[in-house]
Amino acid sequence: GQSLEQPSEVTAVEGAIVQINCTYQTSGFYGLSWYQQHDGGAPTFLSYNALDGLEETGRFSSFLSRSDSYGYLLLQELQMKDSASYFCAVHTGRRALTFGSGTRLQVQP
Amino acid sequence: NAGVTQTPKFQVLKTGQSMTLQCAQDMNHEYMSWYRQDPGMGLRLIHYSVGAGITDQGEVPNGYNVSRSTTEDFPLRLLSAAPSQTSVYFCASTKSANSPLHFGNGTRLTVT
Repeated sequence: GQSLEQPSEVTAVEGAIVQINCTYQTSGFYGLSWYQQHDGGAPTFLSYNALDGLEETGRFSSFLSRSDSYGYLLLQELQMKDSASYFCAVHTGRRALTFGSGTRLQVQP
Repeated sequence: NAGVTQTPKFQVLKTGQSMTLQCAQDMNHEYMSWYRQDPGMGLRLIHYSVGAGITDQGEVPNGYNVSRSTTEDFPLRLLSAAPSQTSVYFCASTKSANSPLHFGNGTRLTVT
């Protein structure tokens, strides 16, 4: 089976940088995705890493190390609207993602 | 562009009742899946489909049935509702195994 570990909660201040880590155990690993979910809303896609290294999309970056079974999501220039839950998810080739339990990010003024 | 449409948005059932949660997508995606999300938890995969006529079980399939007779529709049936099935249910679709998932807005189900 698959398992993913990520911190349950992170708090940061507006304008700061925050890193949300994700470690995973799985067979048949194809890639790692990140999703954002605001309270009461649906998850929305943020980024995908299939290869080692950093992917940057605006204020958000995602990193993957396949040898360490580890990835992280980096959020820069935090804004109040970034307060949400963030989920890492592994692609295993079964064509349906397995999600972590989520990290709740609270951005304080 | 509707994307993924789930109905109903809210539903209350009594224990033992059955119902079908509807999911439709208009993006011609081959892959569709159903997840449930309990408070403070991640999304757990119930069933998924890689194309019309093909379905497979996820992590928590017990108590649920699915079918995929068309590319567009992927309904989830609760056979005999139980309080443990109180949850938010999300349907998602994607065009390929490594493409982003597109989620519906969810169905909030309460079983009393």
